[in-house]
Amino acid sequence: DGGITQSPKYLFRKEGQNVTLSCEQNLNHDAMYWYRQDPGQGLRLIYYSQIVNDFQKGDIAEGYSVSREKKESFPLTVTSAQKNPTAFYLCASSVQGLGYEQYFGPGTRLTVT
Amino acid sequence: ILNVEQSPQSLHVQEGDSTNFTCSFPSSNFYALHWYRWETAKSPEALFVMTLNGDEKKKGRISATLNTKEGYSYLYIKGSQPEDSATYLCASPHGNNRLAFGKGNQVVVIP
Repeated sequence: DGGITQSPKYLFRKEGQNVTLSCEQNLNHDAMYWYRQDPGQGLRLIYYSQIVNDFQKGDIAEGYSVSREKKESFPLTVTSAQKNPTAFYLCASSVQGLGYEQYFGPGTRLTVT
Repeated sequence: ILNVEQSPQSLHVQEGDSTNFTCSFPSSNFYALHWYRWETAKSPEALFVMTLNGDEKKKGRISATLNTKEGYSYLYIKGSQPEDSATYLCASPHGNNRLAFGKGNQVVVIP
């Protein structure tokens, strides 16, 4: 089945540790995205990538890093520089172009204590 | 950041009643308007992508209209059922191949 997967579903980390969230898609989509959701807020864009080996900062990129070495994969690293890392993280992919819907993964809930 | 507003933020609907809610967005440089449904414990799923002023799209009991000149879209649910309980997100593109999302309309259908 085609789709987009994220792992793990829940992740717990101690403050000061970097953590990497996985996102994989087999939809052959060029574009991939990382969003963060906090209570009472809409989805906020962290990073996005339109093609392999290229990515751009979104609206809240500080404290995060990404890579796009393969078309299928777009991992997100939450670094210790991110001041409020506890949140729900959603990955999405789409055909390139703003008229195309985005397909979302199931999300990872990260808790940092 | 593009300002996409949704109202009301939450609403409770009696089963069988119809309801609607609004997404407003800047009308200048309009390209497309996306609606997604996000059920609890599931991933957001696309309902509609709308591009033409005056467009109306329908999926089962859910429909949406678009007014690009005044910058709003309505989402309608006809004869609400418990399975319609979800958060409905709208989003509009801004910048280069990216979407700006509203905060969502949280719908609870009461049996």
